[in-house]
Amino acid sequence: SQTIHQWPATLVQPVGSPLSLECTVEGTSNPNLYWYRQAAGRGLQLLFYSVGIGQISSEVPQNLSASRPQDRQFILSSKKLLLSDSGFYLCAWSASTSSGELFFGEGSRLTVL
Amino acid sequence: AQSVTQLGSHVSVSEGALVLLRCNYSSSVPPYLFWYVQYPNQGLQLLLKYTTGATLVKGINGFEAEFKKSETSFHLTKPSAHMSDAAEYFCAVGKERGTYKYIFGTGTRLKVLA
Repeated sequence: SQTIHQWPATLVQPVGSPLSLECTVEGTSNPNLYWYRQAAGRGLQLLFYSVGIGQISSEVPQNLSASRPQDRQFILSSKKLLLSDSGFYLCAWSASTSSGELFFGEGSRLTVL
Repeated sequence: AQSVTQLGSHVSVSEGALVLLRCNYSSSVPPYLFWYVQYPNQGLQLLLKYTTGATLVKGINGFEAEFKKSETSFHLTKPSAHMSDAAEYFCAVGKERGTYKYIFGTGTRLKVLA
């Protein structure tokens, strides 16, 4: 069966520090991968999606970047965090060959102080 | 452009009462529609989905939703609320097969009163 894991679960970082959130999927090949951010009362905002290795599409101009160095690995990064980067970050995957649903990781809560 | 509107950011029901969470969408193509549930500090879990075929869709935990094309709605219902249903619920719309864009509503937080 397929599983998705993201880490760390909780992160407290000072303003201006770097960020790296990692997500891996197991049990499937060539998944579509996504990073969402969830801010209180604002639902889910799609940040990045990827349909293949090295292929990244950005939905919202911002202080973050994403990379997909391997088929089932998706990384969210920042060189210098801003206060506004605080939030709950969710990684997700979907099968590239179906109209199926998104499968979400457990989430990473980032607090920038 | 596609969009999803969830009416009511907070809904309270008594235990045993009907749960009705509203979702309306706009889409230029026949949509794929989803309801997800999120418990505190967790990821989202799929409740049910509509792709094609029967417009009344049954999901997990006794939830169901009906796709009404004429009303562009996909409301979520459960006949009898349970305390464990307290969570946040998200409606989402996706495009055609193989899409990589899913649009989510802003969520409805369901509170169940004893």
